[in-house]
Amino acid sequence: QVQLQESGPGLVEPSQTLSLTCTVSGGSISSGNYYWSWIRQPAGKGLEWIGRIYTSGSTNYNSSLKSRVTISGDTSKNQFSLNLSSVTVADSAVYYCARNPVNSYGYYFDYWGRGTLVTVSS
Amino acid sequence: DIQVTQSPSTLSASVGDRVTITCRASQSINSWLAWYQQKPGKAPKLLIYKASTLESGVPSRFSGSGSGTEFTLTISSLQPDDFATYYCQQYYSFYNFGQGTKLEIQ
Repeated sequence: QVQLQESGPGLVEPSQTLSLTCTVSGGSISSGNYYWSWIRQPAGKGLEWIGRIYTSGSTNYNSSLKSRVTISGDTSKNQFSLNLSSVTVADSAVYYCARNPVNSYGYYFDYWGRGTLVTVSS
Repeated sequence: DIQVTQSPSTLSASVGDRVTITCRASQSINSWLAWYQQKPGKAPKLLIYKASTLESGVPSRFSGSGSGTEFTLTISSLQPDDFATYYCQQYYSFYNFGQGTKLEIQ
């Protein structure tokens, strides 16, 4: 059973960089046909995909956030990370990591972490 | 970007009711659509993928249909555990979610 767990600071100051890590257990981020994604959800609002990293290490980002986002992987720790720079209060949200299988049924999200709340405030 | 619009935003229903939620895409996405259920304080849970394929372990009262630009999620007989928020998500071109449908107890 694949499990994902987000970790990182719950409070980030405006203009700083938000950094989160997703630790994966029960599966390897460097094997198989999977994308590993970050998704966020502001309080009381809907879901927004941030970006993804493939098992090969290639990345794709939401065009609306692309200039501020970096996703990277650490295969030795079986983790992938999110850096979001120049944050504002609008970046306050619950941040989820999730897995996308790559198969004939497409790239839906089949496993999710529990989410971590990040608040941007001084 | 492909826009995904769900309706209604809120739906009031009773246990035993049959309910349908609609999702419309701004362009054809073939059948590259998933449905999720989210309860307060929890991560979304995958219900259906490729428009109509039921995820393992999901009760058969949930069903999905549609292709192209119009899709539906149907719950055939509402159970108390089904009151939650539902999201559709296109994955034809990266990912976009609908704004959600909150299913409330009438």
